[in-house]
Amino acid sequence: GAGVSQSPSNKVTEKGKDVELRCDPISGHTALYWYRQSLGQGLEFLIYFQGNSAPDKSGLPSDRFSAERTGGSVSTLTIQRTQQEDSAVYLCASSFDRTEAFFGQGTRLTVV
Amino acid sequence: DAKTTQPNSMESNEEEPVHLPCNHSTISGTDYIHWYRQLPSQGPEYVIHGLTSNVNNRMASLAIAEDRKSSTLILHRATLRDAAVYYCILRDYGGSQGNLIFGKGTKLSVKP
Repeated sequence: GAGVSQSPSNKVTEKGKDVELRCDPISGHTALYWYRQSLGQGLEFLIYFQGNSAPDKSGLPSDRFSAERTGGSVSTLTIQRTQQEDSAVYLCASSFDRTEAFFGQGTRLTVV
Repeated sequence: DAKTTQPNSMESNEEEPVHLPCNHSTISGTDYIHWYRQLPSQGPEYVIHGLTSNVNNRMASLAIAEDRKSSTLILHRATLRDAAVYYCILRDYGGSQGNLIFGKGTKLSVKP
């Protein structure tokens, strides 16, 4: 595809359920980033994959959050036992190494 | 991590130049200065980046101080569409990671 694709665009889930958010980066991009943004707030870094290096997971807020990147391409962010404070827009971005990062349109997660 | 300091908000008039400052007094020799912006209800988009020399592209210009402890993003003629939050970010190109961490940014308002 031409850009970073995220799915679903919207997700409503019940408190306590697990959710998976998907990110399809731009083909050939070596770096992939996940962020979340609560309403009216800034971008909170979650996790960063760079090539074959160990991912930087320092931004994951709790052990309920995990992410993987299969085959250096598609990434899945998993949130277990969702809480209401997990409600936010989850943004994914990709880049070729440390060049310009391109962002997807995000997944709006609502935990009810 | 090297940090940046930006004013919380700035105002500009349409069709006038805008100078957005950023201080990064602890910048290291391998840090590049990146600028992104986030329009309302959208994901961030890349604006420009540089190391030592001033840079120009179709969107903006980046002026970097000789000691690299500060930089200024210049929008030559602000339009209403330039109203956004502008982020100044240092990216380390020397190590194996080089994450992209967003601070609070400067919220630019453009008046017609």
